[in-house]
Amino acid sequence: KQEVTQIPAALSVPEGENLVLNCSFTDSAIYNLQWFRQDPGKGLTSLLLIQSSQREQTSGRLNASLDKSSGRSTLYIAASQPGDSATYLCAADSGGGADGLTFGKGTHLIIQP
Amino acid sequence: NAGVTQTPKFRILKIGQSMTLQCTQDMNHNYMYWYRQDPGMGLKLIYYSVGAGITDKGEVPNGYNVSRSTTEDFPLRLELAAPSQTSVYFCASSYPNRFRNTIYFGEGSWLTVV
Repeated sequence: KQEVTQIPAALSVPEGENLVLNCSFTDSAIYNLQWFRQDPGKGLTSLLLIQSSQREQTSGRLNASLDKSSGRSTLYIAASQPGDSATYLCAADSGGGADGLTFGKGTHLIIQP
Repeated sequence: NAGVTQTPKFRILKIGQSMTLQCTQDMNHNYMYWYRQDPGMGLKLIYYSVGAGITDKGEVPNGYNVSRSTTEDFPLRLELAAPSQTSVYFCASSYPNRFRNTIYFGEGSWLTVV
C-alpha cells in the first residue's frame, strides 16, 4: 500500500527566503505526483502535477521535482511572500483506477512579514 | 466559473440523524470523488465514481452511501450519524484521463455530530 510522508509538518520562515518542502512515497510505481495548496477553511487547489516521465515542473516561483527511484519529490518556493502561507499537500497517484491518489498529511507553512 | 460546488458548508447533526451532502460540477468530468479530512491528517477517499451509474468504495466507506445518476451530481449520504463522522468532507472531480490531468476540489463541508 502506498504511503506518503511530508516533512516538515510545519515551517515558519521570514519573508523573502527560498524554501523547500519534502514529500516521500513508498511505492515508486506512480503515474504522477501532485502538489496542492490548502488555505484555512478552503478546499485544495492544484499547484503542479509532475508526470512519472518528467523530472520537474515550474509555475512562477514554484518548482516541483520528482525522483521516482528514490521515492521523493520536493516543492521549491522562491522568494517567499506572506501570501504563500498555507498548508501544502502532496499526493502520489498510483493509478490502477480512480482511487489511486494517496495524500500526505501536509506541511503547514507560515511566512513571517 | 463554478467548478465543484458543495452544500451545505456547515452542519451540526445529532447522533442517529441522517443527511445528504450535495456535490455538483460543471466541467463535464467523468470522475468524481468524496474525501474526508480529519485534523492534521491527509485526505481519505470515501467513495468514487468513474461515470454516471458507476460507483465504488474507497478506503473508508463504512457509514456512507453515494449515487451517481447524472454526470454533474454526486451526493454523499450519511445514515445514522456517529461522532466518528465529525470531519471535513471534500468533493472533487477530474477529467476522464485522470492520469494526465489535475483534480479539482470543492471548498468543503464541515460536519459535526453531537
